[in-house]
Amino acid sequence: DQQVKQNSPSLSVQEGRISILNCDYTNSMFDYFLWYKKYPAEGPTFLISISSIKDKNEDGRFTVFLNKSAKHLSLHIVPSQPGDSAVYFCAARDGNKLVFGAGTILRVKS
Amino acid sequence: NAGVTQTPKFQVLKTGQSMTLQCAQDMNHEYMSWYRQDPGMGLRLIHYSVGAGITDQGEVPNGYNVSRSTTEDFPLRLLSAAPSQTSVYFCASSYSAGRNYEQYFGPGTRLTVT
Repeated sequence: DQQVKQNSPSLSVQEGRISILNCDYTNSMFDYFLWYKKYPAEGPTFLISISSIKDKNEDGRFTVFLNKSAKHLSLHIVPSQPGDSAVYFCAARDGNKLVFGAGTILRVKS
Repeated sequence: NAGVTQTPKFQVLKTGQSMTLQCAQDMNHEYMSWYRQDPGMGLRLIHYSVGAGITDQGEVPNGYNVSRSTTEDFPLRLLSAAPSQTSVYFCASSYSAGRNYEQYFGPGTRLTVT
């Protein structure tokens, strides 16, 4: 049973608009959440993270929101750029391990 | 710094063959891990290590062995390859399991088992 779920396999957004990627989790013991970005034929790269004791973390165009009661987090990208087109993975920390979602393909159209 | 390096980039094996996927990092990271990426499944943890001489199983360890004799290297061994092991394999490292958990990933090895 997947503990971290990204229910949208893909998302298409116009350049300059906001991209919102969603992630749900089931394990209330997760204490840290991360987003990774992956381009084809490359390894994932770290994007932004948030501790479970916070509800928002911002880094430039990227903001992650955490709603613990709903076990939901989201990544907002504003404004979206064509270079943001990639696969985005949500991940959650469980002790010494990271548990990843299946990923969402983001396409930003110019 | 080269970061996390993986060799080979591509490999084709026949069922039953064995091989070792190499992973090395030059950042003096304590924590290293191996993942496989399959369509619709995301990244699944195979094995991980919190330091030299210490390894543990992840979510999908069957059919794979690891060892960590040095801080820098963390090879993944396929004992008897099966078609179900066709996947893209990523090695990753981080300072420690407890420091923000930002992992640095290698470029991946694409393995096909026929």
